[in-house]
Amino acid sequence: QKEVEQDPGPLSVPEGAIVSLNCTYSNSAFQYFMWYRQYSRKGPELLMYTYSSGNKEDGRFTAQVDKSSKYISLFIRDSQPSDSATYLCAIGTSGTYKYIFGTGTRLKVLA
Amino acid sequence: GAVVSQHPSRVICKSGTSVKIECRSLDFQATTMFWYRQFPKKSLMLMATSNEGSKATYEQGVEKDKFLINHASLTLSTLTVTSAHPEDSSFYICSASGSASGLLETQYFGPGTRLLVL
Repeated sequence: QKEVEQDPGPLSVPEGAIVSLNCTYSNSAFQYFMWYRQYSRKGPELLMYTYSSGNKEDGRFTAQVDKSSKYISLFIRDSQPSDSATYLCAIGTSGTYKYIFGTGTRLKVLA
Repeated sequence: GAVVSQHPSRVICKSGTSVKIECRSLDFQATTMFWYRQFPKKSLMLMATSNEGSKATYEQGVEKDKFLINHASLTLSTLTVTSAHPEDSSFYICSASGSASGLLETQYFGPGTRLLVL
């Protein structure tokens, strides 16, 4: 079993839709959960960073962590064509910056 | 804050030559830097982790003599692809982590360097 599982997509949605992106992980020792957005031919950009169960909201983005189920989600409200990118989840443990990355989900928001 | 730059952004070289890629943290001190390789439509593949002033720790399967990493200062790490061959063509991305006021303790990525070996 991989340490982090992420559906690679692609996921196509109409503009204005709510997007749900998900990752599951296997090791309950993981404590830090990140979401990165990567546009084509660019480096990943940090979107959300959280270390506790529950929801964290930032504008149109909400990160959700369920440690009991080892499941993390990123919700994008009112999706825009500019949100079209690959979204990578990343998880880590205390004491190290070395993360485990998901394979990334390619999202396409259609105008 | 937390800006990481890479240079060059794109490089084309002949087979057999060596190529150096620089990664700089512009507004914070990076105690740890990471080098990744990414193939088209694939996820990040960690190559090595480097701490300032120490030898890099390479991931399994990554040739140390092929991919030389130097982390000489808290703001600069370099990756040198020695005797590059066409199979080394890829997108190389660095990231940096550090601690500073107002800075999340996480990885911040550079924009990447596209290497094409002819």
